[in-house]
Amino acid sequence: DGGITQSPKYLFRKEGQNVTLSCEQNLNHDAMYWYRQDPGQGLRLIYYSQIVNDFQKGDIAEGYSVSREKKESFPLTVTSAQKNPTAFYLCASNQDRGHRELFFGEGSRLTVL
Amino acid sequence: QKEVEQNSGPLSVPEGAIASLNCTYSDRGSQSFFWYRQYSGKSPELIMFIYSNGDKEDGRFTAQLNKASQYVSLLIRDSQPSDSATYLCAVVNTGTASKLTFGTGTRLQVTL
Repeated sequence: DGGITQSPKYLFRKEGQNVTLSCEQNLNHDAMYWYRQDPGQGLRLIYYSQIVNDFQKGDIAEGYSVSREKKESFPLTVTSAQKNPTAFYLCASNQDRGHRELFFGEGSRLTVL
Repeated sequence: QKEVEQNSGPLSVPEGAIASLNCTYSDRGSQSFFWYRQYSGKSPELIMFIYSNGDKEDGRFTAQLNKASQYVSLLIRDSQPSDSATYLCAVVNTGTASKLTFGTGTRLQVTL
């Protein structure tokens, strides 16, 4: 079955540690995205990539980094520079033409202890 | 100014009633519009998309688009308790290729 796989689902981190969230898709989509969602809030765009080896900052990129070395993969690193990293992180993908429906992974919930 | 605006709610409707969710957007050139449903702690799932002015119906759901007034709405007929969720409106803005901009969502509560 085609879809987006995020891992881990739940992650606990001590302050000062970097963590990397994995996102893999087998939908052959060109574009991939990372969103952050805080309780009771909407989705805020962290980074997105529309082609391999290229990515752009979203609205809240500070304290985060990404890479896009393969079409299928778009990992997100939450660095120690991110002041308030506890949140629900969603990875998504879509085609860059035609019907642009966004497909989401199941999300990763990061808690900083 | 927010690009996509929604009333955060909660919108409370009795079971069996029609729920009406509204969304306005600022980019007049926007072409694609989406409604997603999100249950607490889960990822969003697509309910409907609409590209053309007018109504689009799918089962109990109807999306309405008015580009002149820059609003898109979602009607849910015969509301069920299982419809209780947050509904996110999303728009593809001009010149952004595939990137969707989301509203903050409207929380819907269907009461028994």
